Order: sequence, then C-alpha cells, then structure tokens
Amino acid sequence: AQSVSQHNHHVILSEAASLELGCNYSYGGTVNLFWYVQYPGQHLQLLLKYFSGDPLVKGIKGFEAEFIKSKFSFNLRKPSVQWSDTAEYFCAVNSNSGGGADGLTFGKGTHLIIQP
Amino acid sequence: DAGITQSPRYKITETGRQVTLMCHQTWSHSYMFWYRQDLGHGLRLIYYSAAADITDKGEVPDGYVVSRSKTENFPLTLESATRSQTSVYFCASSDYGTATGETQYFGPGTRLLVL
Repeated sequence: AQSVSQHNHHVILSEAASLELGCNYSYGGTVNLFWYVQYPGQHLQLLLKYFSGDPLVKGIKGFEAEFIKSKFSFNLRKPSVQWSDTAEYFCAVNSNSGGGADGLTFGKGTHLIIQP
Repeated sequence: DAGITQSPRYKITETGRQVTLMCHQTWSHSYMFWYRQDLGHGLRLIYYSAAADITDKGEVPDGYVVSRSKTENFPLTLESATRSQTSVYFCASSDYGTATGETQYFGPGTRLLVL
C-alpha cells in the first residue's frame, strides 16, 4: 500500500524567508506526485505535479518541487514566501501503472503560517 | 464554467439518519472520487468511480454507499450516520487518458456534523 509522510505538521516563517516542505512516499512502482494547497476556508487547489521527465517541476505562485527517486522524496520549495502563502499544504501520490486512475494517497498536511 | 460543485455545503444531522451528499461536475470527466478530511489524517479516499455504473472502494468505505447513474453526478450516502462520520467531504474528478488525466480537481467540500 502507498503511504505519504510529511515531516512538518506546523511551520511558522516570516515573510521573505525561504520555504522547504518535506514529503516522502512509500510505493514500489511508478508514481505520480502532487502538491495541493488549501487556503483557509477553501477547497484544494493544485500547486504542481510530476508525472515523468524533468524531476524539477515548477508550479503556480512561485512554487517548485524536486522529485528525487532514490530518496522517494518530492519536497516543495519557494525562495521567498508571502503572507498570502499561509495555508495547509498536502503532498499526494497515486500509481502511474497505466491501468486507470487511482485515488490519491495524501500526507497529513503541513500547516504553514507566514508572519508579516 | 461551473467545474465541480457540491451540495449542501453545510449539513447538521443526527445519529442514525440517512444523509446524501451531492457532487456534480460539468467537465464530463470519466473518474470521480470521494474523500473525507479529518484533523491528523489528511484526506482519505472513500470511494471512486471510473465511469457510470462502475464504482470501487477506497481506503475508508465502511458506512458509505455511492452510485453513478450519470457521468456528471456521484452522490455519497451515509446510510445511518454516526458521530465518527463528522468530517469535511470533498468530491474530485479527473479525465484519465487525456493530457491532464492524472490530475484531480476538487470541489469546495461539504462540512457534515453528526450529533
């Protein structure tokens, strides 16, 4: 079975600080990897995704993530955070077996608070 | 472009009552999913559907029933609600087999409180 581990449950940063949120997954096959963001009171929005190819993927709002296959990791980064980045961030994975869409397995989320 | 909608957005019910949460998408996506979100657990998959009349269990299906008679609708029914089913429920859809097929798009959620 797949599992996703997000290392930091709560992160507090000041504006302009750099951000890195850790995500590790456990799965024996080929995977698709996602980062979703949930702003307060809103639904999940896709930040970025990795299916194949260049392991460094860029998403919306200046976020990027790097897939390191040997470490089973997909960490999210942003060089300079803003107050508006305050949100819950979820790493998710599903199988890329080509046999049909799988439901996503989510990490427990990281609550990011940006202090002005 | 309405996308994916859920109704009701908020629901309070009592233990033992039947509750149906609605999900509707306008993209004609083939796949639809139901998740529940609980503190400390993230989101967990309840059921999913690959097409009309094709459904399958996810990680936490007990106490829930789904149906998919039309591609655009995927209702989730709690046959006899329990307090442990108090949660936020998210519906999602994806169009597997297309360029963006592996991406799931989420609805706004339904907050359910079971008293």
